[in-house]
Amino acid sequence: DAKTTQPPSMDCAEGRAANLPCNHSTISGNEYVYWYRQIHSQGPQYIIHGLKNNETNEMASLIITEDRKSSTLILPHATLRDTAVYYCIVRVATSYDKVIFGPGTSLSVIP
Amino acid sequence: DGGITQSPKYLFRKEGQNVTLSCEQNLNHDAMYWYRQDPGQGLRLIYYSQIVNDFQKGDIAEGYSVSREKKESFPLTVTSAQKNPTAFYLCASSPGTDYYGYTFGSGTRLTVV
Repeated sequence: DAKTTQPPSMDCAEGRAANLPCNHSTISGNEYVYWYRQIHSQGPQYIIHGLKNNETNEMASLIITEDRKSSTLILPHATLRDTAVYYCIVRVATSYDKVIFGPGTSLSVIP
Repeated sequence: DGGITQSPKYLFRKEGQNVTLSCEQNLNHDAMYWYRQDPGQGLRLIYYSQIVNDFQKGDIAEGYSVSREKKESFPLTVTSAQKNPTAFYLCASSPGTDYYGYTFGSGTRLTVV
């Protein structure tokens, strides 16, 4: 089973911030939180990752709670092209181990 | 540019035939993975390989086989024993030594008629 839980779907108005939550209550101390997104019929694309500090890159921001049991991916100004399925996973960064991808959150950005 | 190439993008086969899906990477990654995705579902792990000439079963390995004779290549064979092979197949790789996780190919959509 996946080590993360996410809502199955969310809507967001175009131009507004999209906040996608993820629960990972059994995360280990050396596991990072990773976010990927998959646009229809394409391979998943890496977005961002973090251990315990908040992270930001050109695509998104990642907010991890202090107890590390949950996180939120923020797309600051959602566009129609952000409509996709978003996956949250946890894994040890420098590891070859298998990772389970859950069903993710299907984000629909509405004009 | 480095990346993962999956071919073909679309594949049609008759029921009862074996079919091999190609996955090649030029990222010098040690680990490679095969996932299956059904409509509206997440990714389910079929097989993975951490090193050449070695591979492990994932959660849904029955009816599939793999080989890893070269670091760059990890082909997946869908055999006639796979009861419901029609799906979207994704190949991924990981270096295991940096923090950016997986790189995925663009996928192969297999339809068995």
